[in-house]
Amino acid sequence: DTGVSQDPRHKITKRGQNVTFRCDPISEHNRLYWYRQTLGQGPEFLTYFQNEAQLEKSRLLSDRFSAERPKGSFSTLEIQRTEQGDSAMYLCASSQDGLAGVLTQYFGPGTRLTVL
Amino acid sequence: AQTVTQSQPEMSVQEAETVTLSCTYDTSESNYYLFWYKQPPSRQMILVIRQEAYKQQNATENRFSVNFQKAAKSFSLKISDSQLGDTAMYFCAFITKETSGSRLTFGEGTQLTVNP
Repeated sequence: DTGVSQDPRHKITKRGQNVTFRCDPISEHNRLYWYRQTLGQGPEFLTYFQNEAQLEKSRLLSDRFSAERPKGSFSTLEIQRTEQGDSAMYLCASSQDGLAGVLTQYFGPGTRLTVL
Repeated sequence: AQTVTQSQPEMSVQEAETVTLSCTYDTSESNYYLFWYKQPPSRQMILVIRQEAYKQQNATENRFSVNFQKAAKSFSLKISDSQLGDTAMYFCAFITKETSGSRLTFGEGTQLTVNP
């Protein structure tokens, strides 16, 4: 399977703990995105990378959140000092620049975070 | 601000019948792309269909087709010959390249249930 993968699929943590999620994009894709989805809502954009450069961050991405993509391949999203309001599904997506211009994003299965 | 509105939180349809999901959007930009994504229960989001705004012809993918009305900023999804496997949350989304980078903006979603 060469789709987007995410690890772990589920994470339960206590308030105040740090958590880290990993995303492996489709291998030839140079763009990688992180979204957050709360129950019954559409995904909300957090940040995205073009290769290893983080090009845009949403205001949703507070100082407790940090994302990296050190070699332009996989990415990690870390949440420090988790709060109950961080409980959500964290989705990763990837896309490839192309001459056609349309940047279709392909999503991974997500990491569901529960903060107790 | 760029927004997507899906005015039908829930819809149901009998197997083999046709259903149309509504979506309206607001943007001041002229170059954008529209998408419908499907998210089955506890499964990952998958692309259903996409439409380039500069194309007048409506996109079709097998049983799925769209009615794109650019002047009205409307982008509805028609599902023909509905199947039980079509039961899912459907999200309308769009992306522009000029001012918002490559972030997808999603609607709130429509929960579609196909009844046997």
